[in-house]
Amino acid sequence: DAKTTQPPSMDCAEGRAANLPCNHSTISGNEYVYWYRQIHSQGPQYIIHGLKNNETNEMASLIITEDRKSSTLILPHATLRDTAVYYCIVKPDSWGKLQFGAGTQVVVTP
Amino acid sequence: DTGVSQNPRHKITKRGQNVTFRCDPISEHNRLYWYRQTLGQGPEFLTYFQNEAQLEKSRLLSDRFSAERPKGSFSTLEIQRTEQGDSAMYLCASSLGGTGKGEQYFGPGTRLTVT
Repeated sequence: DAKTTQPPSMDCAEGRAANLPCNHSTISGNEYVYWYRQIHSQGPQYIIHGLKNNETNEMASLIITEDRKSSTLILPHATLRDTAVYYCIVKPDSWGKLQFGAGTQVVVTP
Repeated sequence: DTGVSQNPRHKITKRGQNVTFRCDPISEHNRLYWYRQTLGQGPEFLTYFQNEAQLEKSRLLSDRFSAERPKGSFSTLEIQRTEQGDSAMYLCASSLGGTGKGEQYFGPGTRLTVT
């Protein structure tokens, strides 16, 4: 599976958009980009995933570049409850194991 | 609550003892996963089941570890002769196979401390 690179940490002001980058330059054509987050002392939580097209749901938007070598997760209006570690994962299908990296620690401040 | 549940939530044991954890997945989910997470790291895959069949095991799963999913419902993860290096959070997740998003739903985890 392709490896991902994320910044170790980011700060975001409450109410502002949080843009979380992820590089996956070795992604294969059949690999999806998944985002999960993990709030302290809880299990990871699915956020969104995509293959080629941009995706949006009630939690976030996912923007994938045309060459698919990078993506950005957008939290449109960050709240204090969005403070968590965010993981970008690429994998070849909609099932199967997740391979987590270190993720990005996002801290939303008042 | 129809989410994934794990028991116990915390377990303290002495080195050399055996421990067993239980995971109850979301009822209609046929896939079940076990992960291990140490402090400051992302979760690491251990093994997964489709129904009662164990389809993949990580090399992290030494011969002291065994997992079962009888009848394709709940699952147990047993660690024999625990070592201090086994101290970690053990996470269970389940998903619905077939078409669809395939997202995994995680339980709250069992925190193991080996003294």
